[in-house]
Amino acid sequence: EAGVTQFPSHSVIEKGQTVTLRCDPISGHDNLYWYRRVMGKEIKFLLHFVKESKQDESGMPNNRFLAERTGGTYSTLKVQPAELEDSGVYFCASSQDTGRAFFGQGTRLTVV
Amino acid sequence: GESVGLHLPTLSVQEGDNSIINCAYSNSASDYFIWYKQESGKGPQFIIDIRSNMDKRQGQRVTVLLNKTVKHLSLQIAATQPGDSAVYFCAETSFGYKLSFGAGTTVTVRA
Repeated sequence: EAGVTQFPSHSVIEKGQTVTLRCDPISGHDNLYWYRRVMGKEIKFLLHFVKESKQDESGMPNNRFLAERTGGTYSTLKVQPAELEDSGVYFCASSQDTGRAFFGQGTRLTVV
Repeated sequence: GESVGLHLPTLSVQEGDNSIINCAYSNSASDYFIWYKQESGKGPQFIIDIRSNMDKRQGQRVTVLLNKTVKHLSLQIAATQPGDSAVYFCAETSFGYKLSFGAGTTVTVRA
């Protein structure tokens, strides 16, 4: 069974540009989450999808971040325009129901 | 190698010794706790979990202890190996969805 996959693994963009991160959850997992770890700090929740619906987006930093999960399968997280403080590692996770969430390898975003 | 009772950002342990990693959680309503291991360049990997109706759970070489009275969680690793070197995060959740992570402890195993 394939795990959670994220693309790209690394992205370096200039301030003001747009970046789109993609996450493919484990097949059959209705719950999909985005998390972020900035500058060696703790991992912070961004948002939670149940199928295609946003269940909880309380962790989204501001309106420069837009997450979508069309069709309830893969998800994208767009940052537009990117700022320096957006640099960090963005993790996606999925779970079948409450409980154990499986994480992808993360996308390291560097904004210069 | 122990950091008994106190969360430390780093822990150095001799290969073969037992490790104890501590975590204080914040939400008294949390009912599910997970320990994750993150190696360089990888995402957090599930190690072991425990629900709030338990105070101890054992896995292969790992044991998680939960003290709800003082909101404390610990991870014990028996016979620590070089492959155990990583950052360890505790995570808590109520209702099982959004995870709140601790600051992480970097474990370094000395040969």
